[in-house]
Amino acid sequence: AQSVTQPDIHITVSEGASLELRCNYSYGATPYLFWYVQSPGQGLQLLLKYFSGDTLVQGIKGFEAEFKRSQSSFNLRKPSVHWSDAAEYFCAVATTSGTYKYIFGTGTRLKVLA
Amino acid sequence: DTEVTQTPKHLVMGMTNKKSLKCEQHMGHRAMYWYKQKAKKPPELMFVYSYEKLSINESVPSRFSPECPNSSLLNLHLHALQPEDSALYLCASSQVRGEKLFFGSGTQLSVL
Repeated sequence: AQSVTQPDIHITVSEGASLELRCNYSYGATPYLFWYVQSPGQGLQLLLKYFSGDTLVQGIKGFEAEFKRSQSSFNLRKPSVHWSDAAEYFCAVATTSGTYKYIFGTGTRLKVLA
Repeated sequence: DTEVTQTPKHLVMGMTNKKSLKCEQHMGHRAMYWYKQKAKKPPELMFVYSYEKLSINESVPSRFSPECPNSSLLNLHLHALQPEDSALYLCASSQVRGEKLFFGSGTQLSVL
């Protein structure tokens, strides 16, 4: 069965520090991969997506993610975190064949220290 | 217009009430979704409409009844809900199924 794992429930970084949020997926083929961000009480906003091609994808707000097929990973990175980046981050996978699934990981809550 | 609009933003209802949640988008998207999100949890898919036809129902109880009157509108009719149904209900749309999702800001539902 398809699944998405975000191993870090909480991450705390200092403002200006670099950030990496981990995401691993389980799927028989290469799925569509997404990162979303959610502020409290709000809907989710897409940061970036990977469908095919270049494995390093750029997104909004200075985020990037790298798809590594051999590790079934799609980690999110940002070189310098801003206080406004504090939020919940969700990795998501959409299947590309068979029964349609659009699955979210359990989320990583990011706290930014001033 | 890149917005998905959900109304109401907040809803409190008793277990015997009937209410409806509404969702609207004018981006020409042909796939629309309902998700349920409990506090500190990821969104859980409830229903998917593709070209105004229900294509996925994730074994949701019949007290939740979706409706897609046209390509821009999505409703979720609620009847005889339970307190455990209290959650943030999110509507989303995408150009086609499987593409990036555009989310509304949700309806925070409390069932008393």
